[in-house]
Amino acid sequence: NAGVMQNPRHLVRRRGQEARLRCSPVKGHSHVYWYRQLPEEGLKFMVYLQKENIIDESGMPKERFSAEFPKEGPSILRIQQVVRGDSAAYFCASSTDREAFFGQGTRLTVV
Amino acid sequence: AQSVTQPDIHITVSEGASLELRCNYSYGATPYLFWYVQSPGQGLQLLLKYFSGDTLVQGIKGFEAEFKRSQSSFNLRKPSVHWSDAAEYFCAVGLTSGTYKYIFGTGTRLKVLA
Repeated sequence: NAGVMQNPRHLVRRRGQEARLRCSPVKGHSHVYWYRQLPEEGLKFMVYLQKENIIDESGMPKERFSAEFPKEGPSILRIQQVVRGDSAAYFCASSTDREAFFGQGTRLTVV
Repeated sequence: AQSVTQPDIHITVSEGASLELRCNYSYGATPYLFWYVQSPGQGLQLLLKYFSGDTLVQGIKGFEAEFKRSQSSFNLRKPSVHWSDAAEYFCAVGLTSGTYKYIFGTGTRLKVLA
């Protein structure tokens, strides 16, 4: 009974590189959410996706960030040209209609 | 706008003492309500949830929470705290207006004194 799987768990990138974070939802779930947790802060909603569709991206920064959830394969959160301020924990969740299940997160460190 | 407020950023209690963590939400209808715990460097673990029905909800690790509609609150309680309860606690609401998403409070960091 696999839960939400995120990889990698830890990711180190130099400034200007690209970061790709992967999230495999619970089998059968078609809703995926991404959240960002900055150090010493709570979780901030970034984006809500269904298969092949972005439903709500109101929390996504306007530049450098993108997300997809293709018909096959995991959801990907992509950060281009990373900066130090992107260092955070990124959590993915998948849901039924009422409850979301969270992954263990990817901790991104930009050096 | 919808929001979740956890007014206490830090709370310190002695081991064996009782605990109450506050959570208030601002939303037109009754949302789904959740409490999560996060240990340092770890992910989120669901403690308990409220969808409907009995307003007193029992969770894991001896925690419970009570939904009070009149106060728009969902406070988390534990009668006797253990040192292993030291962690960060997040209240969250699940909103179903338009699209379904979670809104989190800013968290309460619990410190337990031996």
